[in-house]
Amino acid sequence: RKEVEQDPGPFNVPEGATVAFNCTYSNSASQSFFWYRQDCRKEPKLLMSVYSSGNEDGRFTAQLNRASQYISLLIRDSKLSDSATYLCVGKVQGAQKLVFGQGTRLTINP
Amino acid sequence: DADVTQTPRNRITKTGKRIMLECSQTKGHDRMYWYRQDPGLGLRLIYYSFDVKDINKGEISDGYSVSRQAQAKFSLSLESAIPNQTALYFCATSGSADQETQYFGPGTRLLVL
Repeated sequence: RKEVEQDPGPFNVPEGATVAFNCTYSNSASQSFFWYRQDCRKEPKLLMSVYSSGNEDGRFTAQLNRASQYISLLIRDSKLSDSATYLCVGKVQGAQKLVFGQGTRLTINP
Repeated sequence: DADVTQTPRNRITKTGKRIMLECSQTKGHDRMYWYRQDPGLGLRLIYYSFDVKDINKGEISDGYSVSRQAQAKFSLSLESAIPNQTALYFCATSGSADQETQYFGPGTRLLVL
């Protein structure tokens, strides 16, 4: 089983819709989580960190559920420019490396 | 100018050839990483380095070697390339103050025939 798992999609949603996807992690020692965004043929870039209390950044909301070991990303009022692959990332406390999920591909349609 | 650069951006080589991918950064970060990305598998860590004298294997280091020539430079070598090393390779950096945010280079597309 992969340490961080995501539904690869693709998710196709109309512009203006709300879309959410989850990511599950298998290592209960994982302490820190992040969402990275990767545009087609580009490098990944940090979108937001995920805090235990949940956090919001504009139209984006990230939540962590430690009991069920999953992280979620919600995008409200989706824009065409939100089309990308979203990578879920975990890190074990004290570990020296990040563990990346395979990514979820999202396409926003006009 | 980009903070993390990679050369070459694209490379086609033949089985058995030695190839080197280079990464340079101007962010002043101590930590540097090499990943490969394959469809359906996501990013996998090959090697990482926390300073010039520190080199560590990642989850898929077999068939690869690295050199940290300076704080700003970290190169990845394939001593004898094989077709299943065809992938998109990314270099990344992070600072010791914020170890968890990694900054990626633009990637190198490698095709091994």
